[in-house]
Amino acid sequence: DGGITQSPKYLFRKEGQNVTLSCEQNLNHDAMYWYRQDPGQGLRLIYYSQIVNDFQKGDIAEGYSVSREKKESFPLTVTSAQKNPTAFYLCASRVGFSTDTQYFGPGTRLTVL
Amino acid sequence: GDSVTQMEGPVTLSEEAFLTINCTYTATGYPSLFWYVQYPGEGLQLLLKATKADDKGSNKGFEATYRKETTSFHLEKGSVQVSDSAVYFCALTDAKTSYDKVIFGPGTSLSVIP
Repeated sequence: DGGITQSPKYLFRKEGQNVTLSCEQNLNHDAMYWYRQDPGQGLRLIYYSQIVNDFQKGDIAEGYSVSREKKESFPLTVTSAQKNPTAFYLCASRVGFSTDTQYFGPGTRLTVL
Repeated sequence: GDSVTQMEGPVTLSEEAFLTINCTYTATGYPSLFWYVQYPGEGLQLLLKATKADDKGSNKGFEATYRKETTSFHLEKGSVQVSDSAVYFCALTDAKTSYDKVIFGPGTSLSVIP
Protein backbone atom coordinates (compact mmCIF):
# COMPACT_ATOMS: atom_id res chain seq x y z
CA ASP A 1 0.00 0.00 0.00
CA GLY A 2 1.22 3.48 -0.81
CA GLY A 3 1.38 6.02 1.93
CA ILE A 4 3.33 8.05 4.43
CA THR A 5 4.84 6.42 7.48
CA GLN A 6 6.10 8.15 10.57
CA SER A 7 8.00 6.44 13.31
CA PRO A 8 7.84 6.06 16.15
CA LYS A 9 4.25 6.91 17.09
CA TYR A 10 5.31 7.98 20.59
CA LEU A 11 8.73 9.32 21.53
CA PHE A 12 10.06 10.34 24.91
CA ARG A 13 13.28 12.26 25.40
CA LYS A 14 15.07 14.01 28.19
CA GLU A 15 15.43 17.76 28.09
CA GLY A 16 18.58 18.85 26.30
CA GLN A 17 18.77 15.84 23.95
CA ASN A 18 18.40 16.05 20.21
CA VAL A 19 15.87 13.68 18.69
CA THR A 20 15.14 12.71 15.09
CA LEU A 21 11.66 11.93 13.80
CA SER A 22 11.34 9.74 10.74
CA CYS A 23 9.09 10.36 7.73
CA GLU A 24 9.03 8.05 4.72
CA GLN A 25 6.70 8.05 1.70
CA ASN A 26 6.34 5.59 -1.16
CA LEU A 27 3.95 7.76 -3.16
CA ASN A 28 6.70 9.14 -5.39
CA HIS A 29 5.75 12.64 -4.26
CA ASP A 30 8.20 15.43 -4.91
CA ALA A 31 7.37 17.75 -2.02
CA MET A 32 7.44 16.95 1.69
CA TYR A 33 6.50 18.95 4.79
CA TRP A 34 6.79 18.99 8.56
CA TYR A 35 4.12 20.53 10.77
CA ARG A 36 3.78 20.99 14.47
CA GLN A 37 0.41 20.70 16.22
CA ASP A 38 -0.18 21.81 19.79
CA PRO A 39 -3.30 20.88 21.78
CA GLY A 40 -6.38 22.68 20.59
CA GLN A 41 -4.49 24.51 17.88
CA GLY A 42 -4.08 24.35 14.17
CA LEU A 43 -0.99 23.32 12.26
CA ARG A 44 2.18 25.33 11.93
CA LEU A 45 4.72 24.72 9.18
CA ILE A 46 8.26 23.93 10.32
CA TYR A 47 10.18 23.04 7.13
CA TYR A 48 9.41 21.91 3.63
CA SER A 49 11.28 20.47 0.68
CA GLN A 50 10.29 20.59 -2.97
CA ILE A 51 13.15 18.47 -4.30
CA VAL A 52 16.01 16.33 -3.08
CA ASN A 53 18.88 18.20 -1.44
CA ASP A 54 16.84 21.36 -1.06
CA PHE A 55 14.56 22.62 1.72
CA GLN A 56 13.09 25.86 3.03
CA LYS A 57 12.18 27.19 6.44
CA GLY A 58 8.55 27.46 7.35
CA ASP A 59 6.98 29.66 9.96
CA ILE A 60 8.57 28.10 13.05
CA ALA A 61 11.94 26.64 11.95
CA GLU A 62 13.98 27.78 14.95
CA GLY A 63 15.28 24.82 16.96
CA TYR A 64 14.63 22.32 14.17
CA SER A 65 16.70 20.91 11.30
CA VAL A 66 15.93 18.68 8.33
CA SER A 67 17.63 16.84 5.48
CA ARG A 68 16.40 15.53 2.14
CA GLU A 69 18.99 13.11 0.82
CA LYS A 70 16.42 10.81 -0.78
CA LYS A 71 13.12 11.59 -2.45
CA GLU A 72 11.20 9.27 -0.15
CA SER A 73 12.67 10.42 3.16
CA PHE A 74 12.49 13.72 5.07
CA PRO A 75 13.68 13.33 8.68
CA LEU A 76 13.19 16.10 11.22
CA THR A 77 15.64 16.71 14.07
CA VAL A 78 14.34 18.51 17.13
CA THR A 79 17.40 20.09 18.69
CA SER A 80 18.04 21.12 22.26
CA ALA A 81 17.62 24.72 21.09
CA GLN A 82 13.88 24.18 20.65
CA LYS A 83 12.46 25.69 23.81
CA ASN A 84 9.18 23.83 23.97
CA PRO A 85 9.47 20.66 21.87
CA THR A 86 6.61 18.65 23.36
CA ALA A 87 4.00 18.45 20.60
CA PHE A 88 2.42 16.30 17.92
CA TYR A 89 4.49 16.32 14.72
CA LEU A 90 2.93 15.66 11.33
CA CYS A 91 4.66 14.90 8.07
CA ALA A 92 2.94 15.52 4.75
CA SER A 93 3.69 15.19 1.06
CA ARG A 94 2.42 16.55 -2.24
CA VAL A 95 2.74 15.12 -5.73
CA GLY A 96 4.53 18.02 -7.39
CA PHE A 97 4.69 21.65 -8.36
CA SER A 98 1.32 22.02 -10.04
CA THR A 99 -0.79 19.96 -7.63
CA ASP A 100 -2.59 21.50 -4.68
CA THR A 101 -3.24 18.67 -2.21
CA GLN A 102 -1.07 17.66 0.74
CA TYR A 103 -1.45 14.19 2.24
CA PHE A 104 -0.54 13.49 5.84
CA GLY A 105 1.14 10.76 7.80
CA PRO A 106 -0.13 9.38 11.12
CA GLY A 107 2.04 11.66 13.26
CA THR A 108 4.58 11.30 16.06
CA ARG A 109 3.84 12.51 19.55
CA LEU A 110 7.04 13.79 21.15
CA THR A 111 7.20 14.29 24.90
CA VAL A 112 10.24 15.88 26.45
CA LEU A 113 10.64 15.05 30.12
CA GLY B 1 -2.74 37.71 3.68
CA ASP B 2 -4.88 34.65 3.17
CA SER B 3 -6.82 33.35 6.16
CA VAL B 4 -9.42 30.79 7.21
CA THR B 5 -12.04 31.21 9.90
CA GLN B 6 -13.99 28.30 11.37
CA MET B 7 -16.83 28.17 13.83
CA GLU B 8 -15.72 27.65 17.39
CA GLY B 9 -16.20 24.26 18.96
CA PRO B 10 -16.73 21.93 20.53
CA VAL B 11 -19.88 20.83 18.78
CA THR B 12 -21.96 18.07 20.35
CA LEU B 13 -24.72 16.38 18.37
CA SER B 14 -26.94 13.38 18.80
CA GLU B 15 -26.61 10.53 16.35
CA GLU B 16 -28.53 11.12 13.10
CA ALA B 17 -28.58 14.89 13.60
CA PHE B 18 -27.72 17.31 10.79
CA LEU B 19 -24.22 18.77 10.86
CA THR B 20 -23.00 22.13 9.64
CA ILE B 21 -19.52 23.46 10.35
CA ASN B 22 -19.02 26.96 9.02
CA CYS B 23 -15.86 28.01 7.23
CA THR B 24 -15.11 31.34 5.60
CA TYR B 25 -11.93 32.46 3.94
CA THR B 26 -10.06 35.46 2.62
CA ALA B 27 -7.72 35.08 -0.32
CA THR B 28 -6.24 37.35 -2.94
CA GLY B 29 -6.17 34.72 -5.67
CA TYR B 30 -8.32 31.73 -6.58
CA PRO B 31 -7.69 29.24 -3.82
CA SER B 32 -8.34 25.54 -3.59
CA LEU B 33 -10.39 24.71 -0.51
CA PHE B 34 -10.19 21.60 1.65
CA TRP B 35 -11.73 19.86 4.61
CA TYR B 36 -9.47 17.56 6.57
CA VAL B 37 -10.55 15.29 9.43
CA GLN B 38 -8.41 14.21 12.37
CA TYR B 39 -9.47 11.30 14.53
CA PRO B 40 -8.06 11.12 18.07
CA GLY B 41 -4.34 10.44 18.10
CA GLU B 42 -4.07 10.27 14.30
CA GLY B 43 -2.89 12.41 11.43
CA LEU B 44 -5.06 14.48 9.12
CA GLN B 45 -7.05 12.77 6.42
CA LEU B 46 -8.31 14.60 3.37
CA LEU B 47 -12.09 14.53 3.55
CA LEU B 48 -12.99 16.55 0.46
CA LYS B 49 -11.83 19.43 -1.70
CA ALA B 50 -13.02 21.92 -4.27
CA THR B 51 -10.87 23.87 -6.67
CA LYS B 52 -13.14 26.48 -8.22
CA ALA B 53 -16.29 28.46 -7.57
CA ASP B 54 -19.54 26.44 -7.37
CA ASP B 55 -17.66 23.13 -7.17
CA LYS B 56 -19.08 20.70 -4.65
CA GLY B 57 -16.75 18.33 -2.86
CA SER B 58 -18.25 15.21 -1.33
CA ASN B 59 -17.08 12.09 0.49
CA LYS B 60 -18.54 9.67 3.04
CA GLY B 61 -21.81 11.61 3.20
CA PHE B 62 -20.08 14.95 3.82
CA GLU B 63 -20.48 17.81 1.36
CA ALA B 64 -19.14 21.34 0.94
CA THR B 65 -19.73 23.86 -1.84
CA TYR B 66 -17.19 26.49 -2.87
CA ARG B 67 -19.11 29.79 -2.64
CA LYS B 68 -17.04 32.63 -4.04
CA GLU B 69 -19.75 35.25 -3.51
CA THR B 70 -19.84 34.57 0.23
CA THR B 71 -16.22 33.32 0.48
CA SER B 72 -17.45 30.24 2.27
CA PHE B 73 -16.94 26.48 2.24
CA HIS B 74 -19.30 25.12 4.89
CA LEU B 75 -19.16 21.41 5.72
CA GLU B 76 -22.48 19.54 5.95
CA LYS B 77 -23.69 16.03 6.63
CA GLY B 78 -27.29 14.97 6.75
CA SER B 79 -27.05 12.33 9.46
CA VAL B 80 -24.00 12.06 11.68
CA GLN B 81 -22.78 8.87 13.32
CA VAL B 82 -20.76 8.28 16.47
CA SER B 83 -17.83 7.36 14.23
CA ASP B 84 -17.82 10.95 12.85
CA SER B 85 -16.52 12.23 16.19
CA ALA B 86 -13.27 13.98 15.29
CA VAL B 87 -11.69 17.38 14.70
CA TYR B 88 -12.44 18.99 11.35
CA PHE B 89 -10.07 21.47 9.72
CA CYS B 90 -10.93 23.84 6.91
CA ALA B 91 -7.93 24.83 4.80
CA LEU B 92 -6.93 26.66 1.67
CA THR B 93 -3.97 26.85 -0.62
CA ASP B 94 -3.37 29.12 -3.56
CA ALA B 95 -1.06 28.86 -6.54
CA LYS B 96 -0.62 32.61 -6.40
CA THR B 97 1.16 32.42 -3.04
CA SER B 98 2.40 28.84 -3.29
CA TYR B 99 0.92 25.38 -2.92
CA ASP B 100 3.60 24.83 -0.27
CA LYS B 101 1.76 27.18 2.06
CA VAL B 102 -1.52 25.75 3.33
CA ILE B 103 -3.60 27.97 5.59
CA PHE B 104 -5.46 25.92 8.18
CA GLY B 105 -8.34 26.96 10.35
CA PRO B 106 -8.06 26.22 14.09
CA GLY B 107 -10.23 23.11 13.84
CA THR B 108 -13.70 22.29 15.10
CA SER B 109 -14.13 19.41 17.48
CA LEU B 110 -17.25 17.31 16.91
CA SER B 111 -18.64 14.82 19.39
CA VAL B 112 -21.56 12.63 18.38
CA ILE B 113 -23.43 10.93 21.20
CA PRO B 114 -25.63 7.85 20.78
